[in-house]
Amino acid sequence: EIVLTQSPVTLSLSPGERATLSCRASQSVTSYLAWYQQKPGQAPRLLIHDASNRATGIPGRFSGSGSGTDFTLTISSLEPEDSAVYYCQQRGDWPLTFGGGTKVEIK
Amino acid sequence: EVQLLESGGGLVQSGGSLRLSCVASGFIFDSYAINWVRQAPGRGLEWASSISYSGSNTFYSDSVKGRFTISRDNSKNTVYLQMNSLRAEDTAIYYCAKSFSWANYFDYWGQGTLVTVSS
Repeated sequence: EIVLTQSPVTLSLSPGERATLSCRASQSVTSYLAWYQQKPGQAPRLLIHDASNRATGIPGRFSGSGSGTDFTLTISSLEPEDSAVYYCQQRGDWPLTFGGGTKVEIK
Repeated sequence: EVQLLESGGGLVQSGGSLRLSCVASGFIFDSYAINWVRQAPGRGLEWASSISYSGSNTFYSDSVKGRFTISRDNSKNTVYLQMNSLRAEDTAIYYCAKSFSWANYFDYWGQGTLVTVSS
C-alpha cells in the first residue's frame, strides 16, 4: 500500500499570506495525485488532479506541483474561506489512499 | 447538475448488516465508476470500495474486503454497498463519490450517510 504523509499537520497563517502544503508518497505515483479541500460538516471538494491540473471552478490561487514522491499544494494568497482541511490522494496503485490531512487555519 | 444521494445509514449492532444506496443524477451514470469513501468521526478520509462503469470490476480496501460488497444497477442509476459483519471501527460517514473522467479521483460527492456500529 502506498502511504501518503502530509505536512505540516496544522498551518496557521494570515489572510494574504502564501500557504505551502506537502504530500510525500512512500513510492512513486508518477503524477497520479489529487488534492481535496474539506470544510467542517461538508463533503470534500476536488481541487487539483494529476498533480497540477485545477478542477473545474477552482480559483487560480490554488496550484499543485510535483511528481514521483513529492508533491506540493500552494495557495498563493489566503482568503478567509480557505480555512479547511486539505487531503492528498493517489491513484497510482490499488488500494487508493489518502494522506492524513493538513489543517489550514486563518488567523 | 450532478447529484449523489446516499441513504441506508443508521445504528446497528456489531456483527450486523446494512445496505447503503447511492442514487445519482445529472450525468451519464453508466459511463462512470462510482466509489465509497468513509470518514470516521474526527478522522481523515479512507477509500473503501470502487465499481467500474459497467459493474464488471470491483475493488476493495483490505479493511472491508470479504465483508463489504459493492454493486450497481445502471437501469436505476444506483450503486449499493452491502456491509456485513460490521465492526465498531466501521463507524463512519460513508460518502458516495463519482470518479473523474476515467481516473480514480472523486469529482462529485454526496452529502454522506452515517453508519454507527455499537459494540
